[in-house]
Amino acid sequence: AQSVTQLGSHVSVSEGALVLLRCNYSSSVPPYLFWYVQYPNQGLQLLLKYTTGATLVKGINGFEAEFKKSETSFHLTKPSAHMSDAAEYFCAVSDRRTGFQKLVFGTGTRLLVSP
Amino acid sequence: DAGVTQSPTHLIKTRGQQVTLRCSPKSGHDTVSWYQQALGQGPQFIFQYYEEEERQRGNFPDRFSGHQFPNYSSELNVNALLLGDSALYLCASSQLVTSERIPDTQYFGPGTRLTVL
Repeated sequence: AQSVTQLGSHVSVSEGALVLLRCNYSSSVPPYLFWYVQYPNQGLQLLLKYTTGATLVKGINGFEAEFKKSETSFHLTKPSAHMSDAAEYFCAVSDRRTGFQKLVFGTGTRLLVSP
Repeated sequence: DAGVTQSPTHLIKTRGQQVTLRCSPKSGHDTVSWYQQALGQGPQFIFQYYEEEERQRGNFPDRFSGHQFPNYSSELNVNALLLGDSALYLCASSQLVTSERIPDTQYFGPGTRLTVL
């Protein structure tokens, strides 16, 4: 069964600092990989996804993530944090073998941005 | 273009009651998935509907059932509510991509927060 581990339930950064949110997956076959963001009292918004091709994926709001098969990781980064980036971030995977769209989510990382 | 909409936004029920949550997918989408997000947790997949049939189901008891209508909207029904069913219920819609098996992006609604007392 697939699973996702997000290291750190909370990450605090200063405005302008590098953001790094960690995600590791467990799967017998490299899955499709996603990062979603959830603002308070809202649904989830897709930041970026990796399906095939280039392993460095650029998303919205200046975020990017790199798929590293050897490390089974898909860490999310942003060079310079904004106050508006404060939110809950979820890493998710889906099984590329079946083509089904079931997403398996990690437990989330809350990003706190201080002035 | 309206995104995914869900109703109601909040709901309070008592143990043993039944509840129905509703979802209208984004225009052009034919697939609806439901997720349960308990407080402090990531969303968990309940099931997915396509062409009015349940295509895939997560690890949820039969108390959770659903339906998809010809206009692609969907309902989630939960019977015999338990305190542990209190959660944010998220609906996501997408297009079922039949070629290359690359999943389409799932667009999430704002959710329905269910509280069971």
